[in-house]
Amino acid sequence: DVKVTQSSRYLVKRTGEKVFLECVQDMDHENMFWYRQDPGLGLRLIYFSYDVKMKEKGDIPEGYSVSREKKERFSLILESASTNQTSMYLCASSLTAWTGYGYTFGSGTRLTVV
Amino acid sequence: AQTVTQSQPEMSVQEAETVTLSCTYDTSESNYYLFWYKQPPSRQMILVIRQEAYKQQNATENRFSVNFQKAAKSFSLKISDSQLGDTAMYFCAFLMNRDDKIIFGKGTRLHILP
Repeated sequence: DVKVTQSSRYLVKRTGEKVFLECVQDMDHENMFWYRQDPGLGLRLIYFSYDVKMKEKGDIPEGYSVSREKKERFSLILESASTNQTSMYLCASSLTAWTGYGYTFGSGTRLTVV
Repeated sequence: AQTVTQSQPEMSVQEAETVTLSCTYDTSESNYYLFWYKQPPSRQMILVIRQEAYKQQNATENRFSVNFQKAAKSFSLKISDSQLGDTAMYFCAFLMNRDDKIIFGKGTRLHILP
């Protein structure tokens, strides 16, 4: 089975800190995604990448950046963390969305910014 | 733009009962995929069932089945003989053919009561 691993299950950071959320997948998937999950709002796409060094903005990219230097790793960066970025962050990957098989998700990182 | 609507934020049913979760979507496309994802308290998002829009036959996976009404743009999930382990957040999701990004509904929190 494909495995998507998020490096931290819980994180607590201070306002203004630079925060790195790491995601690694082990099945040579083309596409990788970062979503933010908030109660009542569902999952909102922050950024995605369909190849190494390629990235596309999702619906809510403000305050975030991403890095994909290797195919298996996709990092989400909060340049200067703010309290409104307190949330659950989910990473996902897919072989290619064109096959329509959906995503494989990581188990999420719950980030608290204080 | 495509949208996915889940009209039931929260539901509760007794163990062993049958429950139906509603989902409607809006698209002008004819080729697409629909999904139901389950997110238990462990937070790991799991694909429950997948439907290809060009297939008229409703998808089934053990106790989980869908009622796919393409003309009505409706995609409901039926859980038969519900079990305590079915307690979770359920997300309905849409993927346009040859697109990369899945669009998620806001979710339905399902409680199975002993």
